[in-house]
Amino acid sequence: AQKITQTQPGMFVQEKEAVTLDCTYDTSDPSYGLFWYKQPSSGEMIFLIYQGSYDQQNATEGRYSLNFQKARKSANLVISASQLGDSAMYFCAMRLAGGTSYGKLTFGQGTILTVHP
Amino acid sequence: GAVVSQHPSRVICKSGTSVKIECRSLDFQATTMFWYRQFPKQSLMLMATSNEGSKATYEQGVEKDKFLINHASLTLSTLTVTSAHPEDSSFYICSARIPGGTEAFFGQGTRLTVV
Repeated sequence: AQKITQTQPGMFVQEKEAVTLDCTYDTSDPSYGLFWYKQPSSGEMIFLIYQGSYDQQNATEGRYSLNFQKARKSANLVISASQLGDSAMYFCAMRLAGGTSYGKLTFGQGTILTVHP
Repeated sequence: GAVVSQHPSRVICKSGTSVKIECRSLDFQATTMFWYRQFPKQSLMLMATSNEGSKATYEQGVEKDKFLINHASLTLSTLTVTSAHPEDSSFYICSARIPGGTEAFFGQGTRLTVV
């Protein structure tokens, strides 16, 4: 079975600084996808970034980048130049490629990020 | 971009009554949708996989008779919480994925309060 672990219940960062949110995963399946979602207080889930297990380069989307270290099974999210609007809960998630798990996401416990002015 | 719409966003119901939550894919056909449950400041837990035209697949520990799922069309899945009790109060959120696509699109979520 797959597992996602986020060990930081809460993180604080100063506005305009960079912050790294940790995520480790465990699966024996060679084909998988890793996601980061942002959940503001409204509850909606906002997709941020995706990394496939066979992708050679780390994914980047604007201020978001994913530090993918396959051997260590980690997929940390880096947010550069933090903004006040980045304050939210952040979830790391994994999806296996196929079979009965097709489409299912397994989520980590989440990290509450607070950006200070 | 693809949008998943969930309705209602908030609902308060009396203990013992049933509540139906709708999840629609607005500009794509979703043969599979997923229903998650989230308690405050906790993770999303998958409840069930909704399959168009067939029975839903429930995760271990989820009561299928309590959480009825119907996926009658390629754009609509419904979750009915039957005989709701205060412990069913939670945030319920659905998601769908465009066939062949990468990301899962989520609905806005439904905050259910049972009084």
